[in-house]
Amino acid sequence: EAGVAQSPRYKIIEKRQSVAFWCNPISGHATLYWYQQILGQGPKLLIQFQNNGVVDDSQLPKDRFSAERLKGVDSTLKIQPAKLEDSAVYLCASSLYPGFYGYTFGSGTRLTVV
Amino acid sequence: ELKVEQNPLFLSMQEGKNYTIYCNYSTTSDRLYWYRQDPGKSLESLFVLLSNGAVKQEGRLMASLDTKARLSTLHITAAVHDLSATYFCAVVHNTDKLIFGTGTRLQVFP
Repeated sequence: EAGVAQSPRYKIIEKRQSVAFWCNPISGHATLYWYQQILGQGPKLLIQFQNNGVVDDSQLPKDRFSAERLKGVDSTLKIQPAKLEDSAVYLCASSLYPGFYGYTFGSGTRLTVV
Repeated sequence: ELKVEQNPLFLSMQEGKNYTIYCNYSTTSDRLYWYRQDPGKSLESLFVLLSNGAVKQEGRLMASLDTKARLSTLHITAAVHDLSATYFCAVVHNTDKLIFGTGTRLQVFP
């Protein structure tokens, strides 16, 4: 089966610009997650979707971050405006039955804000 | 709020030696994952531990889970250079959220 697809792989932007990341989960996986991984740290959960509904966005900085999952398949994560501290790898993961059947991670998007 | 801590954060070990990485978590959970991450790469699933007392082994790595102590261990036997990577434990929280530990960066030298 195809894995979790993410694009772009790399992005460099100036602070105060906007940026968007795209994720296509494994077919049939209803649950989708976005994680932020700052260099040298473990991934931090930003938002969780179940189909096209948000389950948990308590860790999402909503003043600048937004995410959507239209039609319960692809998802986009947007940052506007970006800050220097947003430099990180943004990982998308999906799961068929969270907690039981594992989580598959994409390759991530490495964002550098200068 | 669930907290997941690993120690050590950094581990430099000689080939052929044994060592253990510890993962402690703060609230009840009976499911835990171990992942490997190579520099610039995504996360590779190593083990999933689904119950108290679970033990899984793959090659030179063995993972165990003690849910009563809220502790998981990843034991490395006779380390080789190819095991050099960062290892994360991740605890399932509220049935469906994966919360990651701080990571242990392992370097194996000749």
